[in-house]
Amino acid sequence: AQKVTQAQTEISVVEKEDVTLDCVYETRDTTYYLFWYKQPPSGELVFLIRRNSFDEQNEISGRYSWNFQKSTSSFNFTITASQVVDSAVYFCALSEAIDNFNKFYFGSGTKLNVKP
Amino acid sequence: DAGVIQSPRHEVTEMGQEVTLRCKPISGHDYLFWYRQTMMRGLELLIYFNNNVPIDDSGMPEDRFSAKMPNASFSTLKIQPSEPRDSAVYFCASSLGRQEFGYGYTFGSGTRLTVV
Repeated sequence: AQKVTQAQTEISVVEKEDVTLDCVYETRDTTYYLFWYKQPPSGELVFLIRRNSFDEQNEISGRYSWNFQKSTSSFNFTITASQVVDSAVYFCALSEAIDNFNKFYFGSGTKLNVKP
Repeated sequence: DAGVIQSPRHEVTEMGQEVTLRCKPISGHDYLFWYRQTMMRGLELLIYFNNNVPIDDSGMPEDRFSAKMPNASFSTLKIQPSEPRDSAVYFCASSLGRQEFGYGYTFGSGTRLTVV
């Protein structure tokens, strides 16, 4: 079974629409971290956010917000008023502690197309 | 900090040739990772090092692949002989490994390898 599932392979929206990217994870650890990374067309992987398993408060950063729900093992990412520059592939990742080390599991990514 | 530095950014080589990808991690990071990204398989962990020592190379696809980390500031991934199916983007990443820090990975810009 996959540790991190991003069921949406590709999403297309029109500029200014809101869009939510889904992420469902699986772990038996009580302490873990969840991440979102952005990969724009230029190819680099850019860190967006990190949340630990003990902090279920939602987080907002400008047009970005994240909804962490342990009850459903989900860590969804919402972009409000999307812009063309948001077009990218977005990866959700789970970090578990193995031998005092963060082992990462990446989802397969969701490609977001924002059209003008 | 300059971040994780990879070279070259692009590499085109002929089948059968040796290819060497290079990575300079962030100073002070004690873990270094090599990932491969393809459309079919997404992000795959190939190998990782802790304090310059290879810890897990189970992701290395076959004996044609080898990785070294002669010191804390340099690592190489070598493919010999290269094959067209090795064409992919290869990422290097580094991190502070302690779980309680919950650090994410910092990725390099990647090397896009094309084997013709």
